[in-house]
Amino acid sequence: DTEVTQTPKHLVMGMTNKKSLKCEQHMGHRAMYWYKQKAKKPPELMFVYSYEKLSINESVPSRFSPECPNSSLLNLHLHALQPEDSALYLCASSQETGVYTQYFGPGTRLTVL
Amino acid sequence: AQTVTQSQPEMSVQEAETVTLSCTYDTSENNYYLFWYKQPPSRQMILVIRQEAYKQQNATENRFSVNFQKAAKSFSLKISDSQLGDTAMYFCAFTYNNNDMRFGAGTRLTVKP
Repeated sequence: DTEVTQTPKHLVMGMTNKKSLKCEQHMGHRAMYWYKQKAKKPPELMFVYSYEKLSINESVPSRFSPECPNSSLLNLHLHALQPEDSALYLCASSQETGVYTQYFGPGTRLTVL
Repeated sequence: AQTVTQSQPEMSVQEAETVTLSCTYDTSENNYYLFWYKQPPSRQMILVIRQEAYKQQNATENRFSVNFQKAAKSFSLKISDSQLGDTAMYFCAFTYNNNDMRFGAGTRLTVKP
């Protein structure tokens, strides 16, 4: 089973709202990732968690706040977003960081009004 | 720095025919993985095929196969007996360390009936 799930599928929020994206995997993977993907562009790495600890933050603004409560769950907390943050947010997981295959979830389509 | 180049923004193929998507990359690393991911309109990133750099034999997965030329740093994807469900954006990706997965710009493939 190579399933990564993400909720919600779609999210519309105002610039003053606080919302969260959720990602879950039950493959026993110890590395999880958040990517941002704009239309017709490749995914861009935002955060990497390895063994539930943040290992990479690719200079992402503080209005995006990741959280890894346990090895199966990854959250992305959103606050005071801008319209240009509208995008597809993809979660992925892999056995570990290093040279392993990443498996992606279906994504959350975020629209910021 | 690692780079991945897909020089074909768009391609089309008739159903049941064969099509080849091109990808070149640049790296000084010796141990790495190469991937082809498919992203249909449903937007889920689906792993199509994976190639470990240390393996000389080209990877195959049913109708999908790669031509991996390590010295030339080339990694093309051949889709045989194309099906309508193959219509998608195809991303070539490279990693030597999952903290730094690099994607190409993508090739939009349309399979015509």
